[in-house]
Amino acid sequence: GEDVEQSLFLSVREGDSSVINCTYTDSSSTYLYWYKQEPGAGLQLLTYIFSNMDMKQDQRLTVLLNKKDKHLSLRIADTQTGDSAIYFCAESIGGYSSASKIIFGSGTRLSIRP
Amino acid sequence: NAGVTQTPKFRVLKTGQSMTLLCAQDMNHEYMYWYRQDPGMGLRLIHYSVGEGTTAKGEVPDGYNVSRLKKQNFLLGLESAAPSQTSVYFCASSFPRSGGPSTNEQFFGPGTRLTVL
Repeated sequence: GEDVEQSLFLSVREGDSSVINCTYTDSSSTYLYWYKQEPGAGLQLLTYIFSNMDMKQDQRLTVLLNKKDKHLSLRIADTQTGDSAIYFCAESIGGYSSASKIIFGSGTRLSIRP
Repeated sequence: NAGVTQTPKFRVLKTGQSMTLLCAQDMNHEYMYWYRQDPGMGLRLIHYSVGEGTTAKGEVPDGYNVSRLKKQNFLLGLESAAPSQTSVYFCASSFPRSGGPSTNEQFFGPGTRLTVL
């Protein structure tokens, strides 16, 4: 079946890099996403990667995709207190003419230590 | 643009009471979704709609009904609330990805926190 798994918690010292990992099961994923949820708010798309790419960089964010191992990671360089949030990994399943189904992981809560 | 809005923000119900959660979007999106978020379980899809007048069941539809009478609104109803429906409910909307370059990004509302006693 379709499943997305990620660890529930990560604690990082301010200024260090954070790496959040995710594994997924469906090999037909077209897009993979990282969403960020700040306290009391809805989810917001942070970044995404198309399934035929293996890396995407966007300022402090680096997304790595290992399609063979079905492993996705998000690296945040120079982690700041404003990065404290829950990060959801998600995959999009379905072709271009369908109502694409998105499967979300359970979220990783990132906390920053001074 | 307000994006996706949800009303109410908070609600407390007694077991057996009914209520309707309203979601509205002003981005002319075709697709709309209702999720519930429970601790350690991520987001689970309750119902979704691919256009005005159409609805479909998601992963956890039991105990909920939905309607999409207007393109911009998606209503979630609880006919007889149960404590197991205590959760945070999120609405989302997106463009269809039919043949275009859209990434099917979903835009989320701020959530409704519902407690059923």
